[in-house]
Amino acid sequence: GAVVSQHPSWVICKSGTSVKIECRSLDFQATTMFWYRQFPKQSLMLMATSNEGSKATYEQGVEKDKFLINHASLTLSTLTVTSAHPEDSSFYICSAKYRYGYTFGSGTRLTVV
Amino acid sequence: DQQVKQNSPSLSVQEGRISILNCDYTNSMFDYFLWYKKYPAEGPTFLISISSIKDKNEDGRFTVFLNKSAKHLSLHIVPSQPGDSAVYFCAARLQNTGNQFYFGTGTSLTVIP
Repeated sequence: GAVVSQHPSWVICKSGTSVKIECRSLDFQATTMFWYRQFPKQSLMLMATSNEGSKATYEQGVEKDKFLINHASLTLSTLTVTSAHPEDSSFYICSAKYRYGYTFGSGTRLTVV
Repeated sequence: DQQVKQNSPSLSVQEGRISILNCDYTNSMFDYFLWYKKYPAEGPTFLISISSIKDKNEDGRFTVFLNKSAKHLSLHIVPSQPGDSAVYFCAARLQNTGNQFYFGTGTSLTVIP
């Protein structure tokens, strides 16, 4: 149990376009979803925390207008990277809290060319 | 600033022996710790957690030890199995920040049959 499905797993987009990443909790209700990004050889860094039905809370230094987070239902949270640039190329991963701990999506490798 | 450090990027252990993975942290305000394992091309999988009010937590072959005075966390796997070969991450939650976790950079464990 406690599976989070994340899509797409890998995406390449042109600079200036937007990319949407989805995370769905398949067998539980995720009232809170966390979004992380990881640069090569660095640890996962928390970008934002989203609560169902309310605005996301962004960490310091994360542009909320660039990384749009929507958590409209208890089973779906999305991260949209708007007007992507090559420096946005990274590994993005979502996580949700469930009864016994935390579970993660499989991650999305974003490459902006 | 890396607040959670895993100084050993890799570890090799013979099957059946004990694997010990180490994690050090710098912030005394961390109150909750996690260990995750990650297989290639998959998302992290929650393994075991420990609250700062405890010094040991055990779950089957996995035991986590917490030494708050030394700001040190370790994961023991006994006995090690080839299927345990993966990258292991430790993570720490900052007290009173909801669920902001800081992750280490991971230790790649190889269990040799």
